[in-house]
Formats: sequence, structure tokens, C-alpha cells
Amino acid sequence: GENVEQHPSTLSVQEGDSAVIKCTYSDSASNYFPWYKQELGKRPQLIIDIRSNVGEKKDQRIAVTLNKTAKHFSLHITETQPEDSAVYFCAASYDLNTDKLIFGTGTRLQVFP
Amino acid sequence: DVKVTQSSRYLVKRTGEKVFLECVQDMDHENMFWYRQDPGLGLRLIYFSYDVKMKEKGDIPEGYSVSREKKERFSLILESASTNQTSMYLCASSSTGEGTEAFFGQGTRLTVV
Repeated sequence: GENVEQHPSTLSVQEGDSAVIKCTYSDSASNYFPWYKQELGKRPQLIIDIRSNVGEKKDQRIAVTLNKTAKHFSLHITETQPEDSAVYFCAASYDLNTDKLIFGTGTRLQVFP
Repeated sequence: DVKVTQSSRYLVKRTGEKVFLECVQDMDHENMFWYRQDPGLGLRLIYFSYDVKMKEKGDIPEGYSVSREKKERFSLILESASTNQTSMYLCASSSTGEGTEAFFGQGTRLTVV
């Protein structure tokens, strides 16, 4: 069935270090992979996304890579700051005829000053 | 500015009650979603609607039903609330297309006693 696995579930880093979160998906037909950030008590918000025809995308300190053959994609945050502390969710779209979005289980990132 | 609004922020209901969670979006989005968020389990899709009166089951539809009579409104119904349905419920909407951002509501924390 449709499944998105996400690791690690928690991640603690020192300010200035890099953080990497990894996800795998099960359906080779998936073609859209967004990442959402959810700060404490707030709604999830899109921070970056990648489509299946692209291998890497960068936006300032965050980047996402996609390996279609291995069916995995990763979020990279460089020069982490305390305000990066949040829960991060990866997602994959399933079903080419609709836009159904399946999420991973989330990663709680803590950045210590 | 996209707005997805859920009718209640907090809700307390008794076991066996019929519960309605309402979600309204103002961006003319075709797609609407209901997710359930529990610690360690991420965002699990309950139901998805890609058009008025059209719906598709997600990963955990048991005990829930949905209604989409108008494009802007998507309702989640708990036919007979149970304590294991105590959770945070998040509604989201997106437009149709190959990979479009999903916008979330503020969430409804439902407690069933």
C-alpha cells in the first residue's frame, strides 16, 4: 500500500551544525515530494518541495535531494539555528489522477544554542 | 492569503455522541483532506475529496465519514465517538495540478470522554 517512512524520529544538533532527515516511499508512480515544518502549537507549513523530474533543489539554508531509483528523498538544513527547532514532515503524492498526499511520521528537530 | 478555517479549536464530547468537524477554505481549491495527528504517528490521512461529492478513503477511515456538498466546505463526521478518537484533527486544501502546496487549518483538538 501507500507508505512513507521517515527517519529519525528525533534529532538534536548544536547550533551551526547540519541536520539531515530521510524519507522513503513505496509507490514508484509518486511524482511530488513536499516538506512541511510544524512549530509548536501551529499548523504545518510548506518549506520546500521537489518534483520527480528534478534531483536536487535548494532554498538558502535548506535543500532537498531525490533518488527515484532508490525511492528516497532527504531534507538538508545547514547552519542550523534555534528557530529551526520544530517537527518536520515529509510527504509524497500518490495516484497520478488525484493529488492525494501521504505524510511520514515526522522528525522532531531540536537545535541547541 | 489562503485561509483554511476549522470550526473549533478545542472540542470535548462524550462517548457515543455524533461529532461534526467543519472545515472551510476560501481559495476555490478542488482538493480537501482530513488528517489525524498523534504523537509518533505523524499525519495520517482519514479521507480525501478531489471534487464536490467525491471522496476517497485514506489510511484510517474506520469510524469516520465525510461530506462535501459545496466546494469550499469539507466535514468530518464521527458517527459514534469513542475514546480512541481523541486526537488533533487537521484539515487541508490544495488546488489540482502536478504537485501543489497543501494549506492547513489551525487544527481541532478533540477529546472524547
